[in-house]
Amino acid sequence: DTGVSQDPRHKITKRGQNVTFRCDPISEHNRLYWYRQTLGQGPEFLTYFQNEAQLEKSRLLSDRFSAERPKGSFSTLEIQRTEQGDSAMYLCASSLVIYEQYFGPGTRLTVT
Amino acid sequence: SQQGEEDPQALSIQEGENATMNCSYKTSINNLQWYRQNSGRGLVHLILIRSNEREKHSGRLRVTLDTSKKSSSLLITASRAADTASYFCATDAGRSNYKLTFGKGTLLTVNP
Repeated sequence: DTGVSQDPRHKITKRGQNVTFRCDPISEHNRLYWYRQTLGQGPEFLTYFQNEAQLEKSRLLSDRFSAERPKGSFSTLEIQRTEQGDSAMYLCASSLVIYEQYFGPGTRLTVT
Repeated sequence: SQQGEEDPQALSIQEGENATMNCSYKTSINNLQWYRQNSGRGLVHLILIRSNEREKHSGRLRVTLDTSKKSSSLLITASRAADTASYFCATDAGRSNYKLTFGKGTLLTVNP
């Protein structure tokens, strides 16, 4: 399977813990995006990388959220001091053409 | 914030019937895309229509775009049980064309 992969697929954590999610884009795609989706809503844009440069991060929800893409390959999204309101599906997408984004299966986060 | 709003929120039809869902958006766009999401495969890209196009076909899918009304419709002909999913429209606009803005989606149920 050469699509976007995300790990883990499910994560249950206790409030106050830190979590980190990984995204591996389609290999030839130099652009990578993170979105968040809550129940009954469409995905909401969080941040965007072109190669290793993070070109937009203003939509990251708070300073507890951070994303990296070392060497322009895989990316990680970290949430520090998780809160119950962080429970959501976190989606990663990648693309060659900037707006034609291909999504991974997502990581479902549950904060108890 | 959500740019697009899909209508209806939910649609239930019989196999073989056509399904039409609509999307309205608020600001001028570059492109509009439709995605399908089910629990098994995440978000799957269906079709893209550019702002200077009025109609596009792909297999059993037909998309129209009316920029004067800021609206789009997705028609699925001869529906199948496997078409059961949530359908989202997503737009990109201006220089922020890396940022897809999604609606809340239409939940389509195709009954065998």
